[in-house]
Amino acid sequence: NFMLTQPHSVSESPGKTVTISCTRSSGSIASSYVQWYQQRPGSAPTTVIYEDNDRPSGVPDRFSGSIDSSSNSASLTISGLKTEDEADYYCQSYDGNTHVFGGGTKLTVL
Amino acid sequence: QVQLVQSGAEVKKPGASVTVSCKASGYTFTNYYMHWVRQAPGQGLEWLGIMFPGGGTTVYAQKFQGKVTMTRDTSTSTVYMELSSLTSEDTAVYYCARGDHGGNPPGPYWGQGTLVTVSS
Repeated sequence: NFMLTQPHSVSESPGKTVTISCTRSSGSIASSYVQWYQQRPGSAPTTVIYEDNDRPSGVPDRFSGSIDSSSNSASLTISGLKTEDEADYYCQSYDGNTHVFGGGTKLTVL
Repeated sequence: QVQLVQSGAEVKKPGASVTVSCKASGYTFTNYYMHWVRQAPGQGLEWLGIMFPGGGTTVYAQKFQGKVTMTRDTSTSTVYMELSSLTSEDTAVYYCARGDHGGNPPGPYWGQGTLVTVSS
């Protein structure tokens, strides 16, 4: 099985842009879709990106996803940061029917 | 609308088993995969396994093979997750989540979570 590695924490100021990385340990990042979830304290996760770069309805276009085969990683970019974006973010992917989450990244907007 | 409603909080002693239920509504139950995901206090999300309610097939994370069992009752559109030989490390919030989109990843529909506390 593979692992997904994320930075433990990132911080940025309101109005700025932040990028959270997610590196796949083995197998190609492009071989399976990557999802990104936002989780606020005490709540269930919510999907902000699915299928590498699609946004569910209701998720602002400030959120975008991408993959980079050269670094075997995926990225979540949030532009025009708002204080409400402060949360934990998790990447997720799979190999067949086995699914894996990254360890999560705490985003602080200060 | 799609809803996943989980059973209530549980307190169990070490060595016991626990069963958490997830009742689905608002869609055809047998057409979508269902995941189970847990989150220990202050920790990240951990994937336990997946079930396809249509045929009852399951795939468990390697770590949980022999420890978790997922079943379903199609007459009530309910999926069950049983965790056995509980230890304090199993204390966590357990979520069910429908598998949507390509590859059937968890979400966007999640249950509200069920807190399982293992304590002597």
